[in-house]
Parts: sequence; C-alpha cells; structure tokens
Amino acid sequence: DAGITQSPRYKITETGRQVTLMCHQTWSHSYMFWYRQDLGHGLRLIYYSAAADITDKGEVPDGYVVSRSKTENFPLTLESATRSQTSVYFCASRRGPTNTEAFFGQGTRLTVV
Amino acid sequence: QQQVKQSPQSLIVQKGGISIINCAYENTAFDYFPWYQQFPGKGPALLIAIRPDVSEKKEGRFTISFNKSAKQFSLHIMDSQPGDSATYFCAASESSGDKLTFGTGTRLAVRP
Repeated sequence: DAGITQSPRYKITETGRQVTLMCHQTWSHSYMFWYRQDLGHGLRLIYYSAAADITDKGEVPDGYVVSRSKTENFPLTLESATRSQTSVYFCASRRGPTNTEAFFGQGTRLTVV
Repeated sequence: QQQVKQSPQSLIVQKGGISIINCAYENTAFDYFPWYQQFPGKGPALLIAIRPDVSEKKEGRFTISFNKSAKQFSLHIMDSQPGDSATYFCAASESSGDKLTFGTGTRLAVRP
C-alpha cells in the first residue's frame, strides 16, 4: 500500500539494549523526519533528512542514530536504550520545504523497562 | 527554549460551541503556520495552514486568525462536534526552511 509505514507499532525493550525503529515511505519524498511525542512536550524533532545520505540533528538527538541510504527508508536506532526514551515515535515525510504538507506514520510506542 | 507556545493544554467544549486554541511565536522569520490534528492512536495530519500576508483563513468550520504584530495565531472551530475531539498542534516555520517547530498540543474534548 502507498503511504508511510512504521514498524513495529509497539516495542518493549530493556535498558541498555539497542533497538531500531523502521520507517518506509512510497512517495519518493525528499524529506523524512523522526519526532518523539511526550505529554507536555508535544512533538519534538529528533533527526531529519533532506535527501538520501543527508541527515541533520533536530532538537533532541542525543542517544539516537539515523541513516538514510535509500530515499524510501529512514531507520532510527537507539544505541543503548534508557527509560527516558520511553515515548511514542513518529516518522514523517514531506515532498519539499516546510510549506508543503508533512505526512505522518501511525507511530511506534516504545517502552524501555 | 520553546519557540512556539500553545494554550490551553486541554479544552472541554459542548457540542455546537466554539473551540479556540491559541499560539504565540518568537521568531520573526517564521512565515508559515500550519495546524495539525491528531486522533488517538494515529499520526498528526495537516488541518489548515496560513501565511502572514493574510489575517484570516477559513476552511469549513475551521478558521485560523493571525496577528503579525502580536506574533500570535489561533484556531477557531465553529459548531464544534464530538468528532472534532482530538489533539491539535500549531506549528511554525520559515517557508523555505527544513524544519517545523510544533507547539505542545491541545487536547480537545467535545461533549455531546
């Protein structure tokens, strides 16, 4: 199906483990983003990518790693998960600059125990 | 440092009433102001957006009011319906830029 999909939808992991959240879009959008959503903080940008092989830090990048070897994929890796990284993570994609619509995935609820 | 401040955090409105959500920004370079709507268990979706060359934009029951001098903008939902119950995020950016800055969100509940 066309669109933007995230996997897994739910994940429980232990402190210190590495975990990767996947994001795939079928529109060939240039821009892709990772946000985390926490009560009281809204949506905070973790990392973004303007094109394949180009990534940049957002507001809260510490503890996260991204890569973008292909236009359609933008995985987010937590190198050593901490309880403070318990959150709902959203991937988004956009065709061009900010004045074009961003499309969000369904989210991944990550719990670090 | 929060560049976009949103209020209230939560809002309860009776069916048929007007819901009003307010946002204020600091960066005078911002020139694109979208609102996103998020239903439980879903990702946010674009609802309506405005640029500072107009003071108001209306789409159906949803209206954005923009006050450039005060650096404020607001979302008005007329004739609010239970189906409007959702979380609403304001955002701001430079239209040629890369990143949207989101507000903290407003959880709206419309009572039948």
